[in-house]
Amino acid sequence: GAVVSQHPSRVICKSGTSVKIECRSLDFQATTMFWYRQFPKKSLMLMATSNEGSKATYEQGVEKDKFLINHASLTLSTLTVTSAHPEDSSFYICSARDQTGSGGRTITDTQYFGPGTRLTVL
Amino acid sequence: GQQVMQIPQYQHVQEGEDFTTYCNSSTTLSNIQWYKQRPGGHPVFLIQLVKSGEVKKQKRLTFQFGEAKKNSSLHITATQTTDVGTYFCAGSSRGGGADGLTFGKGTHLIIQP
Repeated sequence: GAVVSQHPSRVICKSGTSVKIECRSLDFQATTMFWYRQFPKKSLMLMATSNEGSKATYEQGVEKDKFLINHASLTLSTLTVTSAHPEDSSFYICSARDQTGSGGRTITDTQYFGPGTRLTVL
Repeated sequence: GQQVMQIPQYQHVQEGEDFTTYCNSSTTLSNIQWYKQRPGGHPVFLIQLVKSGEVKKQKRLTFQFGEAKKNSSLHITATQTTDVGTYFCAGSSRGGGADGLTFGKGTHLIIQP
């Protein structure tokens, strides 16, 4: 199946620093990737949609200047948490859209999730 | 905006008993997806349902999509300890993976041997 990786898996940083998280689709190209965050024992909340070669689309309530997203290639999207604060501590998970088709028809179109990055801001 | 509600939040069962989690959307969905997340892990895709009234089976797991495409259920027959985890439904108003998903709060399945 399709594989999505994330790096780093865990990061601890001081308040005020910036942290970059990478999301890679390893065996397929993804024009669209999504970033979610998950608080302990809670559900996933969509933060933004990352489109290759264009600006990300942010969900209501998510600060675009705080969470910078760059989708520079068909296999890589990055999320940078700028000037991190303790309340930014969370589990950040990306997913990548995998579409397969034949003869102009879409056969499958689904999302595959990365393993997540646990961010702790001291 | 779109809301997806999932019940129950927690379910304790004895090993061998059946388990069901239910999902309801405030709006009509294009498709619904189900994920399983083990403790400390990330969501793993289980299945996607697209058609009204669709029923799909994966071994002991049965997934249903309602006729109105606003509700769904996951039923596990004869649970095993390996079924432990949180089961999330996630809905999309557009086709396939085009949209970010709206997740339900999840149902935590706890199995007592």
